[in-house]
Order: sequence, then structure tokens, then C-alpha cells
Amino acid sequence: ETGVTQTPRHLVMGMTNKKSLKCEQHLGHNAMYWYKQSAKKPLELMFVYNFKEQTENNSVPSRFSPECPNSSHLFLHLHTLQPEDSALYLCASSHDPGQGFWAFFGQGTRLTVV
Amino acid sequence: AQTVTQSQPEMSVQEAETVTLSCTYDTSESNYYLFWYKQPPSRQMILVIRQEAYKQQNATENRFSVNFQKAAKSFSLKISDSQLGDTAMYFCAFMKLTIRNQFYFGTGTSLTVIP
Repeated sequence: ETGVTQTPRHLVMGMTNKKSLKCEQHLGHNAMYWYKQSAKKPLELMFVYNFKEQTENNSVPSRFSPECPNSSHLFLHLHTLQPEDSALYLCASSHDPGQGFWAFFGQGTRLTVV
Repeated sequence: AQTVTQSQPEMSVQEAETVTLSCTYDTSESNYYLFWYKQPPSRQMILVIRQEAYKQQNATENRFSVNFQKAAKSFSLKISDSQLGDTAMYFCAFMKLTIRNQFYFGTGTSLTVIP
């Protein structure tokens, strides 16, 4: 247990559904991240929040919408997804960016789009 | 852009033996950090070891050590006295020291420790 909790662990949704992924950390970290992990591909950074402000959006389709209400919580809102969006979605957090602190990861949400 | 390459998709090692996982990276940065993360079947990515690029001394953490060759942009992980619990995916990651905290990951190496 690294202190980063993601819910749900598994999610199956239809292409017309709307769902949200939740990430929570109480490690006192300032930065939070969403990554997408697909088989045989490097982890893809999706979004970065630093002190609740989005500092990175790596050309992610608008059907993924992040929300960071405070430094401890991060959401990923999903709507009208495609089957190719099926993947493991990992949340991570770290201390101040640029200081060399490593990221702590959650256990991920296994998303299946049908 | 930064890239991280792990050329060994799968590896296996006998219990108690030593194994080395390779990682190369490409960057124009002079100061950065390198990491090895372990992802067991539980899926949680766990930090194994970290190396600062400005340090010449190779990092060690119990049975885990790295061979950091900055000029060659190589960062291999050596696992000594392999244990069954070491079975996992291992990811090499690069982070440059800017205000934008970006980790770049390789595609991973699946390591199986054989009893």
C-alpha cells in the first residue's frame, strides 16, 4: 500500500455511459497524475495537476475530463468512450515537481469499454 | 523529447540467481533522475530504486543495484539472490528536472523467477 487509493478497481462501461474514476492520496503531495497503461506500450501520461492547477494535458481526447478539487483528490470523468480506451488507468502523486521526488502509484482501475 | 527503451520484453531467472534488466534512454538534458519501478500482479507500481544523474556512484537498495552509464545513456537494474516475490513487470523511467514533472516510462520487462 503506497498511500494512493483508486476506485473502482474494475469498471465495465458501454460507449454511451458516463462514469468517473477517483483517486485519493493523503501523503501531503502537491502533484497528481493520470496515466494510461496499455499492453506492450509505455505508460502514457494523460494529465498532471500541481497545486490543483492543470499543468499538463498530453493531447488527450475530450471524452476524458479531469477534475482536481483539492490536492488530495483527483477524478477522471469518462463519457462516450471507445473500445480502444480500454486499459489500466493509473493515478500517481508526488511532492513538488522538479525536485526529483518519485511518484507513488495507486493500484489502478481496469477499464473495459464494451 | 525523451524516450526510454527496454529491449527485453520477457526474462526469467532461477531463484537465488542474479539477473540484469537493461534500459537505455535518450535525452539532451544534463540533469535528471532515473527510476526502476516494479509492478507485481497486484498492479501497484512500486519504486525499486532511484538514481540522480549528477551522482556518479551507482545506487543500491538491498538486493537491487543499478549500473548507470551516463555517457552511454544506459541504466540497468541488477537483482541479486532473486526471490519468487520479484516476479513482476519492471519499468524503467526517466524524469527531467523542470517545473513540469514528467515521467517517461519504457515498455517494461516481464520478469519471472523460477523456483
